[in-house]
Amino acid sequence: LAKTTQPISMDSYEGQEVNITCSHNNIATNDYITWYQQFPSQGPRFIIQGYKTKVTNEVASLFIPADRKSSTLSLPRVSLSDTAVYYCLVVGGATNKLIFGTGTLLAVQP
Amino acid sequence: EAQVTQNPRYLITVTGKKLTVTCSQNMNHEYMSWYRQDPGLGLRQIYYSMNVEVTDKGDVPEGYKVSRKEKRNFPLILESPSPNQTSLYFCASRGAGEGREQYFGPGTRLTVT
Repeated sequence: LAKTTQPISMDSYEGQEVNITCSHNNIATNDYITWYQQFPSQGPRFIIQGYKTKVTNEVASLFIPADRKSSTLSLPRVSLSDTAVYYCLVVGGATNKLIFGTGTLLAVQP
Repeated sequence: EAQVTQNPRYLITVTGKKLTVTCSQNMNHEYMSWYRQDPGLGLRQIYYSMNVEVTDKGDVPEGYKVSRKEKRNFPLILESPSPNQTSLYFCASRGAGEGREQYFGPGTRLTVT
């Protein structure tokens, strides 16, 4: 199982781009990288997933270098409502045993 | 609407009184999980299931039981709850295909006195 390491917290201002990096040194060949957003007392919500290079959807981009030992979630032009905890999670295909890291608390200020 | 439902959403109980938290998904997902979330400890997997009648321990299985008799349901059973099981519990499901997206339920806040 690939464990992940993220910064505990980050601060930003409205309108800025935020990049949150996650380290997953022992990622396996069949593993995908997924990111989740969680607000207090709510279930995590899926944001994006990727295997390699770059993936973009309507809310975020995910950058994965060639060695896949890290990934960076990019949130363009954050707003106050993006204040939340963001989790990076490495997921294999043939197992459902999962280990969430501590997540990154993103605080967006006006 | 694709969703994972949990019941009850809030529960206050006493030590030793058996309880069951239900979880149901309507997406025909093979994989299901239970997590607990405690301040400062993040999300920890309790049990997971790969399909009907296939379950396995996660990181913190002590004091919990699960069953998977039907694909859509994955109840969490606390045979003899203790105060250290006071926590916020989440059920989640995902398909067995290439996508790794998990869908989480709204959570069950359990207090054991």
